[in-house]
Amino acid sequence: GENVEQHPSTLSVQEGDSAVIKCTYSDSASNYFPWYKQELGKGPQLIIDIRSNVGEKKDQRIAVTLNKTAKHFSLHITETQPEDSAVYFCAASLLYTGGFKTIFGAGTRLFVKA
Amino acid sequence: NAGVMQNPRHLVRRRGQEARLRCSPMKGHSHVYWYRQLPEEGLKFMVYLQKENIIDESGMPKERFSAEFPKEGPSILRIQQVVRGDSAAYFCASSPRRGGPQETQYFGPGTRLLVL
Repeated sequence: GENVEQHPSTLSVQEGDSAVIKCTYSDSASNYFPWYKQELGKGPQLIIDIRSNVGEKKDQRIAVTLNKTAKHFSLHITETQPEDSAVYFCAASLLYTGGFKTIFGAGTRLFVKA
Repeated sequence: NAGVMQNPRHLVRRRGQEARLRCSPMKGHSHVYWYRQLPEEGLKFMVYLQKENIIDESGMPKERFSAEFPKEGPSILRIQQVVRGDSAAYFCASSPRRGGPQETQYFGPGTRLLVL
């Protein structure tokens, strides 16, 4: 089955610096890659996603890149702010009978120091 | 448009009791997913349901756990005879019916279950 690995598990950056989180997946049939942000005590919130026919997608300070050949994708946050501090999860989805299965990475705890 | 709703937000049970967790998907969504999250860990898939059908329950323990999504009303995740190891946050997510951006899952706020 699909397996998603996420690194690093913890990331600490200075406010204004960039943060990069990397994920790899195992099943080449995966074709949808969402990223979620989870703040303390809350549910995960979708922040950006990318489909397998696209190599890069950007939304203001957040960008995601996808390398299908290498089966890895990354989240880039520029000009980090204290409110970016949260746990970030990558995920890989693949189509199977009846719908989609989404497998999540273990998460990256991001600390942005003011 | 209200988001995914879950209740209760917090649930305390003693060992051996039953826990019932409810999830109301976003309006227009007919796919529901349940996940379990242990402290400091990621989301583990449990079960995927459509209205009146269990599509994939491969992540759900065979005993004590059951899920349903009736024609009317919320989806229910039921845990019978709870044990301390069941203590976790349980999240529900929903996605639209076939034809929309169905891959995207929208999460509720979760139910935090504590078994004493």
